[in-house]
Amino acid sequence: DAKTTQPNSMESNEEEPVHLPCNHSTISGTDYIHWYRQLPSQGPEYVIHGLTSNVNNRMASLAIAEDRKSSTLILHRATLRDAAVYYCILRDAGSQGNLIFGKGTKLSVKP
Amino acid sequence: DSGVTQTPKHLITATGQRVTLRCSPRSGDLSVYWYQQSLDQGLQFLIQYYNGEERAKGNILERFSAQQFPDLHSELNLSSLELGDSALYFCASSVATARVETQYFGPGTRLLVL
Repeated sequence: DAKTTQPNSMESNEEEPVHLPCNHSTISGTDYIHWYRQLPSQGPEYVIHGLTSNVNNRMASLAIAEDRKSSTLILHRATLRDAAVYYCILRDAGSQGNLIFGKGTKLSVKP
Repeated sequence: DSGVTQTPKHLITATGQRVTLRCSPRSGDLSVYWYQQSLDQGLQFLIQYYNGEERAKGNILERFSAQQFPDLHSELNLSSLELGDSALYFCASSVATARVETQYFGPGTRLLVL
């Protein structure tokens, strides 16, 4: 699986938007971009995924660069509950179903 | 609540011992994955089962083994435990194995080896 690069940590204020970046310059044409997050003392949970087009769901939006070498997870209004480690993961056509986690971005949300 | 259950929540044992961790996947999910999370290694994939058969192996030690039963629940067996095996062990499940499928994680079992 291609590698991703994320900042180690980010801070946000409550009720403000948060943009979490992910670089994946070696992404292949069939790699899907997945985001998971892990709240403190919990298992990881799925956030969103996409291939080429931007995606929205009730939790977040995923903006994918035109060349697909980077993407951004957007939380439109951060809440205290969004404080977590966010993982950007690529899944390629040849991989098994397992997820390969990097170090992720630890998001802190200030009230 | 992801629908994936894991027991026990906490486990304290001694070096050299053997333990069994149990996972019940979400209803209808055929794939079960085991992950280990330690402070120095992060989240690492151990092994995957699909409908009772081993499908993929990751960084799983020879002292560790797993199986998936006909009712689709899975067990992870850890033997000859060492201090370094202390970690959080997560189970996840998905409907099948396709790369776009969402994995649903359980709350984990925290293992402490003394």
